[in-house]
Amino acid sequence: SAVISQKPSRDICQRGTSLTIQCQVDSQVTMMFWYRQQPGQSLTLIATANQGSEATYESGFVIDKFPISRPNLTFSTLTVSNMSPEDSSIYLCSVGLSTVDTQYFGPGTRLTVL
Amino acid sequence: GENVEQHPSTLSVQEGDSAVIKCTYSDSASNYFPWYKQELGKRPQLIIDIRSNVGEKKDQRIAVTLNKTAKHFSLHITETQPEDSAVYFCAASSPGYALNFGKGTSLLVTP
Repeated sequence: SAVISQKPSRDICQRGTSLTIQCQVDSQVTMMFWYRQQPGQSLTLIATANQGSEATYESGFVIDKFPISRPNLTFSTLTVSNMSPEDSSIYLCSVGLSTVDTQYFGPGTRLTVL
Repeated sequence: GENVEQHPSTLSVQEGDSAVIKCTYSDSASNYFPWYKQELGKRPQLIIDIRSNVGEKKDQRIAVTLNKTAKHFSLHITETQPEDSAVYFCAASSPGYALNFGKGTSLLVTP
């Protein structure tokens, strides 16, 4: 498996501001994904982070609200833009070492928007 | 797209009993079925997975079965212990694609 870190681990933000979350892996991975987990809920895919090209977003998530970067095979960022209290959630990245490999999750970023 | 249904949403068992969680999926192209355990405040941790060319897989007290024809798979935990208490998520995917998760089962093992 890979060692995955996320920064920040938690943050409290004011509405209307933006927060960028970083996901760093200790080895090159093929697949990187961003999920959201609202309190007491399951995990919902936001987007697939593609290296060298635009992310692929799921229905209900748009690039203007959740811009994603993936400059290389070990790093990705997710920005939550123009935040509202409804964006309060845990945001998790997950990685797969190959297209047929198991996916592992980062520790998550707990975001509270006031 | 893939739709994964998970039952029950909550499950309470006595220590030492068995626990069974069931999931169904809709997309016949899905061929990878992992199970994650999530303790409070922690990340989801993979506990076992199965691929579509296998009907059953076991790892100590945990086993997963897959019925591709019926499109359902199940997690079996035997000899449950209080530390098994957590939320369990099933998921389904095709290779190279993100996981589609069930809604989760909150398992409580009482001493």
